[in-house]
Amino acid sequence: EVQLLESGGTLVQPGGSLRLSCAASGFMFSKYGMAWVRQAPGKGLEWVSTISITGNGTYYPGSVKGRFTVSRDNSKNTVFLQMNSLRAEDTATYYCARVGACSGGSCFWFGPWGQGTLVTVSS
Amino acid sequence: DIAMTQSPDSLAVSLGERATINCKSSQSILYNSNKKNYLAWYQQKPGQPPKLLIYWASTRESGVPDRFRGSGSGTDFTLTISSLQAEDVAVYYCQQYYTTSVTFGQGTKLEIK
Repeated sequence: EVQLLESGGTLVQPGGSLRLSCAASGFMFSKYGMAWVRQAPGKGLEWVSTISITGNGTYYPGSVKGRFTVSRDNSKNTVFLQMNSLRAEDTATYYCARVGACSGGSCFWFGPWGQGTLVTVSS
Repeated sequence: DIAMTQSPDSLAVSLGERATINCKSSQSILYNSNKKNYLAWYQQKPGQPPKLLIYWASTRESGVPDRFRGSGSGTDFTLTISSLQAEDVAVYYCQQYYTTSVTFGQGTKLEIK
């Protein structure tokens, strides 16, 4: 059974930093891209980052580019999200998700998803 | 970025009836070389993470009941639940992955009438 377990969410002050982790099990981690998607309280889904199988390719929306960095350690089946210069609008539950696999590489649909970890940015 | 717009924002349907959710992209998400539409649908039940239902606009993920059907092409897509069950109460999202900068629709809340 595929399992994704996020950790690292907490209360942090504006301007602060935080690193989230997502430990994967139940599948060949090194064969899949991984992604982070967030959901502000009572709001919809917002894609945050995607990382390729090797980690050489990383993708971000404009809202976090330059502040967030995604990385992975295939030896530990773990993907990370380093978040710097945090703002109140970054407050959300952060989900880790596996990227779809299709012929020729990754297809950026997401599933399955972890249970999420809550990040609150407030003074 | 490609904008995804869902309609309606909320929907109430009687048990056993059909539910239809629409999703429109701001540009075509049909890739001409492989004739595939780069669209996925997700279901999020209260207090749970999202669950992948459909990808390539119409391919059901393993284990998804066949009452869930995705259709459409180009810029206009539909998720149809043929006979609504109580466990289908959820928020449904569409998502385009035509570009690496993926985007989601705003969500459609489905309730029982």
